[in-house]
Amino acid sequence: RKEVEQDPGPFNVPEGATVAFNCTYSNSASQSFFWYRQDCRKEPKLLMSVYSSGNEDGRFTAQLNRASQYISLLIRDSKLSDSATYLCVVTGPGTASKLTFGTGTRLQVTL
Amino acid sequence: NAGVTQTPKFQVLKTGQSMTLQCAQDMNHNSMYWYRQDPGMGLRLIYYSASEGTTDKGEVPNGYNVSRLNKREFSLRLESAAPSQTSVYFCASSSRTGGITEAFFGQGTRLTVV
Repeated sequence: RKEVEQDPGPFNVPEGATVAFNCTYSNSASQSFFWYRQDCRKEPKLLMSVYSSGNEDGRFTAQLNRASQYISLLIRDSKLSDSATYLCVVTGPGTASKLTFGTGTRLQVTL
Repeated sequence: NAGVTQTPKFQVLKTGQSMTLQCAQDMNHNSMYWYRQDPGMGLRLIYYSASEGTTDKGEVPNGYNVSRLNKREFSLRLESAAPSQTSVYFCASSSRTGGITEAFFGQGTRLTVV
């Protein structure tokens, strides 16, 4: 089983739609969780960290469910500019832990 | 505002040639990473360095060597390039602040081995 698993998509949604992505992780001791965004042929960039209490940044909401070992990303009122690949990232415990990436979920927002 | 700088951006090698990918960060981060990204595979960790003087294997270390030259620089070496190493390589560095790790990436090196 992969350490971090995501549905690769693509998710094709019309502008203005709400879309949600899930990600599951296998290590129950994982400590930090993130969503990164990657545009075509570019480097990944941090979209948002994911906190146990859930957190929101504008149209984006991230949730963490430690009991079920999954994190989610909800995008409301999708824009064309949201089209990208969304990468789930998990770190292990400890200060020297490495970042493990999911394969990414591709989102295509259309007119 | 350099962040993480990788060189070169593009490279074509012949099978059996060697090369070193360079990475430097100016954010005083302790941890640095080398990933490769292939279509449908996501980012896979090759090697990482939790601090100056230490390196550890990641998921796909075979065929690669690394050097953490100092706190700023982390290089990746291909001793004898193979077509299977055709990929996009990303260097990253991270800091741990308040229990949260955030990673910053270089722009990537597109390597083709023919």
